[in-house]
Amino acid sequence: GAVVSQHPSWVICKSGTSVKIECRSLDFQATTMFWYRQFPKQSLMLMATSNEGSKATYEQGVEKDKFLINHASLTLSTLTVTSAHPEDSSFYICSALPGQGPSSPLHFGNGTRLTVT
Amino acid sequence: AQRVTQPEKLLSVFKGAPVELKCNYSYSGSPELFWYVQYSRQRLQLLLRHISRESIKGFTADLNKGETSFHLKKPFAQEEDSAMYYCAHFSSNTGKLIFGQGTTLQVKP
Repeated sequence: GAVVSQHPSWVICKSGTSVKIECRSLDFQATTMFWYRQFPKQSLMLMATSNEGSKATYEQGVEKDKFLINHASLTLSTLTVTSAHPEDSSFYICSALPGQGPSSPLHFGNGTRLTVT
Repeated sequence: AQRVTQPEKLLSVFKGAPVELKCNYSYSGSPELFWYVQYSRQRLQLLLRHISRESIKGFTADLNKGETSFHLKKPFAQEEDSAMYYCAHFSSNTGKLIFGQGTTLQVKP
């Protein structure tokens, strides 16, 4: 079945540094990938929609300069948390859409636990 | 506006009891609705989708447009059903998949 690989699975960084999270679709091409953020015991909040070859579309309230998204190929999207602060500590999850809409289901990565000290 | 509501944060039942996880949606067009499940320490995975009208692991969900609901049901809960369940709605207009708040199902022995 379709697999989405997310790396790293966890990362600890110091305040002020930047962290890059990769999301790869391993056996399918994904023109669209989504980035979600999940706080403890809360739902997944959509941060942005990443489209291959074009700029990402950010949700209201998400700082595009802080959360840089690059979808350079049909199998890779990256999320870079720039100048990270402790409040950015969270669980980040990517998902990829194999087809034109989720009549083919969305596939999720395992998530990345980011801790900013 | 596209919105999904799961009113219960936690649902606790005994093994063998019926289960109903509630989901209501707000959307003016034709909805595309899904249930996702996240078992402990595992990734989110699709459980079922309304267009398939399928039963997965004994779970079913019927779209009720009149009540704008898509409740997830299972007649006899099993301990292995304990997990976090998310209702989600996809909008073809926006291309977004929006999740409800999630309901933790706890099946006690």
